[in-house]
Amino acid sequence: SAVISQKPSRDICQRGTSLTIQCQVDSQVTMMFWYRQQPGQSLTLIATANQGSEATYESGFVIDKFPISRPNLTFSTLTVSNMSPEDSSIYLCSVEGTGVADTQYFGPGTRLTVL
Amino acid sequence: QKEVEQNSGPLSVPEGAIASLNCTYSDRGSQSFFWYRQYSGKSPELIMFIYSNGDKEDGRFTAQLNKASQYVSLLIRDSQPSDSATYLCAVTPGDGLTFGKGTHLIIQP
Repeated sequence: SAVISQKPSRDICQRGTSLTIQCQVDSQVTMMFWYRQQPGQSLTLIATANQGSEATYESGFVIDKFPISRPNLTFSTLTVSNMSPEDSSIYLCSVEGTGVADTQYFGPGTRLTVL
Repeated sequence: QKEVEQNSGPLSVPEGAIASLNCTYSDRGSQSFFWYRQYSGKSPELIMFIYSNGDKEDGRFTAQLNKASQYVSLLIRDSQPSDSATYLCAVTPGDGLTFGKGTHLIIQP
């Protein structure tokens, strides 16, 4: 499977500010995904990011709050905008597996705390 | 609305026994089914996937799928203390994954 890295690994931010999370993959992938895992909860898909097209957002997530960039086949960013304490979560990117349909592999995650 | 249900546990199993984890899903259009293992403070790790009805074995792990009953299970044979983790069931009819809340498994030495 691909090697996935995320930056930053953790951050503490003030409410009202924005944070951009980076996701880097060591091989080219068509599809990348962003998930949120709130404390004690499971993962929720935020959006799907394909290179060369606008991200597709899930119900309850909007582009103004979570803008996503996908400039090439190995990189994506997720911005959490105008943060509130409710945005405190782990944010994970994932990439599609190669050769096995629908599989996804996850990066290490970014732990965000909003004060 | 797509839903994936799991018993949150904790499920406590003696070392060496079989751990049985269960999952039901609501979307009959789901095509692919996955089990992820998540250690505390770590990201999910894919351990099994299954697409067709029946059993699929990989080492000590067996995934079972029954689409008619909308039921997926994971059996872990010869359970080890290192198997103690949260196990997440995930399904997809499309691109993204819908996850259950996970079952916390504890293997008692």
